[in-house]
Amino acid sequence: GQQVMQIPQYQHVQEGEDFTTYCNSSTTLSNIQWYKQRPGGHPVFLIQLVKSGEVKKQKRLTFQFGEAKKNSSLHITATQTTDVGTYFCAGEYSGGGADGLTFGKGTHLIIQP
Amino acid sequence: NAGVTQTPKFQVLKTGQSMTLQCAQDMNHEYMSWYRQDPGMGLRLIHYSVGAGITDQGEVPNGYNVSRSTTEDFPLRLLSAAPSQTSVYFCASSYAGNWNTEAFFGQGTRLTVV
Repeated sequence: GQQVMQIPQYQHVQEGEDFTTYCNSSTTLSNIQWYKQRPGGHPVFLIQLVKSGEVKKQKRLTFQFGEAKKNSSLHITATQTTDVGTYFCAGEYSGGGADGLTFGKGTHLIIQP
Repeated sequence: NAGVTQTPKFQVLKTGQSMTLQCAQDMNHEYMSWYRQDPGMGLRLIHYSVGAGITDQGEVPNGYNVSRSTTEDFPLRLLSAAPSQTSVYFCASSYAGNWNTEAFFGQGTRLTVV
């Protein structure tokens, strides 16, 4: 089946440092979404990227979708303790809404004050 | 607006028991799905539905059944619980057009099978 690889699995940073997580698919995605899950919580939607080369920003978060629509990244500038959690990418292959989202395994962001 | 409601939040089952995890959404979403989350495995799709009366298998469907008799409800049935089904289960819903839009997740059900 289709797979979305996400790295790193864990990332320890000092508060104020930057953080980046990467997702890669072997085949072209129709779109990709990003979710954040706080410890003990449920995944919460952050953003969806659809167009080749798309870049979107939400305050300190920058999301990119690769030109070939096979990879994506999430970059957080100057991390804060509120950024703690697991960040998941989720890709869609069919474009028809019928096959569901394929999630990466997530990156656990651990922030040391 | 309640969003996606899952019940129960916690459950302990004995091996071989059956049970149903409930999921309801009040957003009139066509698309609903069930995921399980295990340490280091991310979220894996169990079953999904693109509308009332239509269901299909995801990545890990064995041992689970679903039905979609109404737009609002999408229950997940464990037929004969096994320790391997110990996990956190999430139900999600979204609009389904040309592609999946934002998925709204329930609070999760933490299931332990002993």
